Amino acid sequence: DGGITQSPKYLFRKEGQNVTLSCEQNLNHDAMYWYRQDPGQGLRLIYYSQIVNDFQKGDIAEGYSVSREKKESFPLTVTSAQKNPTAFYLCASSRARGLAGEYFGPGTRLLVL
Amino acid sequence: DAKTTQPTSMDCAEGRAANLPCNHSTISGNEYVYWYRQIHSQGPQYIIHGLKNNETNEMASLIITEDRKSSTLILPHATLRDTAVYYCIVRSLEGGATNKLIFGTGTLLAVQP
Repeated sequence: DGGITQSPKYLFRKEGQNVTLSCEQNLNHDAMYWYRQDPGQGLRLIYYSQIVNDFQKGDIAEGYSVSREKKESFPLTVTSAQKNPTAFYLCASSRARGLAGEYFGPGTRLLVL
Repeated sequence: DAKTTQPTSMDCAEGRAANLPCNHSTISGNEYVYWYRQIHSQGPQYIIHGLKNNETNEMASLIITEDRKSSTLILPHATLRDTAVYYCIVRSLEGGATNKLIFGTGTLLAVQP
């Protein structure tokens, strides 16, 4: 079955530690996205990529980094510069023009110890 | 900037139609109306989208007013599994990198047994 997978489901980060969230899709989608969701709030865009080896900052990119070396994969690194990383992180993908809507993964919940 | 306005919450009896309103009075001629929903602790799910005409699929119907300043998502026979936050989003599909989703806080639909 085609879809998006995110791992791990839960992730714990110690102070000063970088952590990487995985996102993989087998939908042959060109575009991929990372969103952050805080309790009781809507989604905010962190980074997005329209094509392999290219990505752009979203609205809240500070403290995060991404790579897009393969079409199927768009990992997100939460660096120690991100001072409030506790949140629900959602990865999504779409065809280049996104007409049919984005497909979302199940999410990773990041907690700071 | 919020481009849509939705009620914070709504109740609906199981088996009845759920009608979720959305105001988008500043919508531009090239912007579509998209609906997503998010069940608690899961990733959002695409439901339906439209430009001018009413649309229907296996999940829902979308009614867009003639002036396009508002729309209504209709779930014809709500079930308990339809309890979720429903997001109404307006977006352009032009410009590639700029057609990102902007999520607000949505409407929490509670389907009652």
